[in-house]
Amino acid sequence: AQKVTQAQTEISVVEKEDVTLDCVYETRDTTYYLFWYKQPPSGELVFLIRRNSFDEQNEISGRYSWNFQKSTSSFNFTITASQVVDSAVYFCALSPPTYGGSQGNLIFGKGTKLSVKP
Amino acid sequence: DTAVSQTPKYLVTQMGNDKSIKCEQNLGHDTMYWYKQDSKKFLKIMFSYNNKELIINETVPNRFSPKSPDKAHLNLHINSLELGDSAVYFCASSQDRSSGNTIYFGEGSWLTVV
Repeated sequence: AQKVTQAQTEISVVEKEDVTLDCVYETRDTTYYLFWYKQPPSGELVFLIRRNSFDEQNEISGRYSWNFQKSTSSFNFTITASQVVDSAVYFCALSPPTYGGSQGNLIFGKGTKLSVKP
Repeated sequence: DTAVSQTPKYLVTQMGNDKSIKCEQNLGHDTMYWYKQDSKKFLKIMFSYNNKELIINETVPNRFSPKSPDKAHLNLHINSLELGDSAVYFCASSQDRSSGNTIYFGEGSWLTVV
């Protein structure tokens, strides 16, 4: 079965704190892709990052960084020095291989609502 | 220019009505999708089309009928609307049907059935 778990339903931090959003996934496939999306209060879904299962290098983009660990099936997302504008719901998602009925599909976690207070 | 655009953004309608949500992408992508986000924010795929051909049809009631007149458009028609259809519907697109392509989402259509 393919599944994504985001155990943290809501997180509240004060501006400038670092915060890590957890994502654990389940799949029997050896090839797969992982994604993070941001949904700000305005409601749109914004793509943040894509990672394939063969690339375990961590990635940093400004204040955002991602830690992919196949051994623990985790793809965690850290925001350094959080800002109020980071307040949003963040979704982790899994894309299984292209066969069967799931071609190109995204399997989403339930999301983590991050509130950054000034 | 918005890459994936959908209209209307907000729709309030009565039970039993029929309504449509339109979607267009200008990214030159081959594959388009409809996702539904329920009141608990859970996102789930409904349909996927590749070059106007239906490739994914999750367990969605027959009242929902997607239509793709060309690969840049994927409209969603809903018949006999029910209260439980209230949700946010996201149109999306990707380069093709391969796993791992980034899926780009529209801004969502907020449907409220009263």
